[in-house]
Amino acid sequence: RKEVEQDPGPFNVPEGATVAFNCTYSNSASQSFFWYRQDCRKEPKLLMSVYSSGNEDGRFTAQLNRASQYISLLIRDSKLSDSATYLCVVNKGGGSYIPTFGRGTSLIVHP
Amino acid sequence: EPEVTQTPSHQVTQMGQEVILRCVPISNHLYFYWYRQILGQKVEFLVSFYNNEISEKSEIFDDQFSVERPDGSNFTLKIRSTKLEDSAMYFCASRGQGQVQPQHFGDGTRLSIL
Repeated sequence: RKEVEQDPGPFNVPEGATVAFNCTYSNSASQSFFWYRQDCRKEPKLLMSVYSSGNEDGRFTAQLNRASQYISLLIRDSKLSDSATYLCVVNKGGGSYIPTFGRGTSLIVHP
Repeated sequence: EPEVTQTPSHQVTQMGQEVILRCVPISNHLYFYWYRQILGQKVEFLVSFYNNEISEKSEIFDDQFSVERPDGSNFTLKIRSTKLEDSAMYFCASRGQGQVQPQHFGDGTRLSIL
């Protein structure tokens, strides 16, 4: 099993749609989880941290399921500007703070 | 908002030459990182740096690579003898104290080895 696994997509959705991405991780000792977005040939930018109880930031909701070792990102009311690659990032844990990146899920929002 | 800055934005170098990539992390951050991303592939961790020494490094970070914090602001990545496969985007990142603090990335240096 890959350390951090994501469906590469692309997810092709119309404006206003709700879309959800999942990410699974293999190390049960992982303690920190993040979603980043990356535009083509640009740096990753933090979208949101993922907390155990789940958290919301505007149109974005992140959830963590430790038992099944996955995190999710829900985007409501998609905008054209949401088109990007969404990177799941999981810190290794177990004494290591090194983040492991997934390959990303590509989202295309069309008019 | 404070940001991580990297120079140069694009570096073109002949194979076998040495390159130094420069980064200025966010001023009150204590943890510094280098990553690379080969075109079309995922972001890969290279090395982390804390308290003036390497704290962790990946298998990619072999003897050809070194990092340095020569003064209070710069954080550099040196590749001693570049290979064609070193061509990639190199990102520097920094974060504050606390394991749950996210990393903030610079906008990268595109390294092209000819």
